Amino acid sequence: QSALTQPPSASGSPGQSVTISCTGTSSDVGGSNYVSWYQQHPGKAPEVMIYEVTERPSGVPDRFSGSRSGNTASLTVSGLQPEDEADYYCTSWAGNNKWVFGGGTKLTVL
Amino acid sequence: QVQLVQSGAEVKKPGASVQVSCKASGYIFTDYYMHWVRQAPGQGLEWMGVINPAGGSTNYAQKFQGRVFMTRETSTSTVYMDLSSLRSDDTAVYYCTNVRGGFFHFANWGQGTLVTVSS
Repeated sequence: QSALTQPPSASGSPGQSVTISCTGTSSDVGGSNYVSWYQQHPGKAPEVMIYEVTERPSGVPDRFSGSRSGNTASLTVSGLQPEDEADYYCTSWAGNNKWVFGGGTKLTVL
Repeated sequence: QVQLVQSGAEVKKPGASVQVSCKASGYIFTDYYMHWVRQAPGQGLEWMGVINPAGGSTNYAQKFQGRVFMTRETSTSTVYMDLSSLRSDDTAVYYCTNVRGGFFHFANWGQGTLVTVSS
């Protein structure tokens, strides 16, 4: 199972919006409703920000949103804030009780 | 509240085996599948496998087949991950993380266990 493809970096100024992509195949991202996104600050465990492509867990700011088109899922962070600077990872259920992660994107708030 | 508490850091020599434990609390142990994810220094997250605490069935990533073994002890709500034939590129932080039945995202995470493989 190959890793999902994410851009290594993304950036934006406070208040701006930034979108991070996650490209897979029809066997994972394109064929599964179970794409999720995780935020990881340095030295910390990841935290779920989006699940089932578009759903946001309670407690996650509504500045975070998810979408999907074909084999590419996207995470959009609107109204960037300094605390959004972190690494972001996508993951998808790939069938047969297996999961696959993206390579991660480092988001910098300028 | 849900807590996943992992065992402490380990230093191992190449060729050895390591066992990392993950003790769950704050929920019904058998209601969530337990996964293991690792992260090499400066690298991304890598899914290793999953165990169903209810029956003990497992599913491992192809990369780790034959080297990883996941077990559980329901009496103590603890899951174990054994990794054998360690190599230097197994040096990583190992996380346990759970997925509620009927869902497919990693809801809660342990604090991570650093395993260092060095001669």
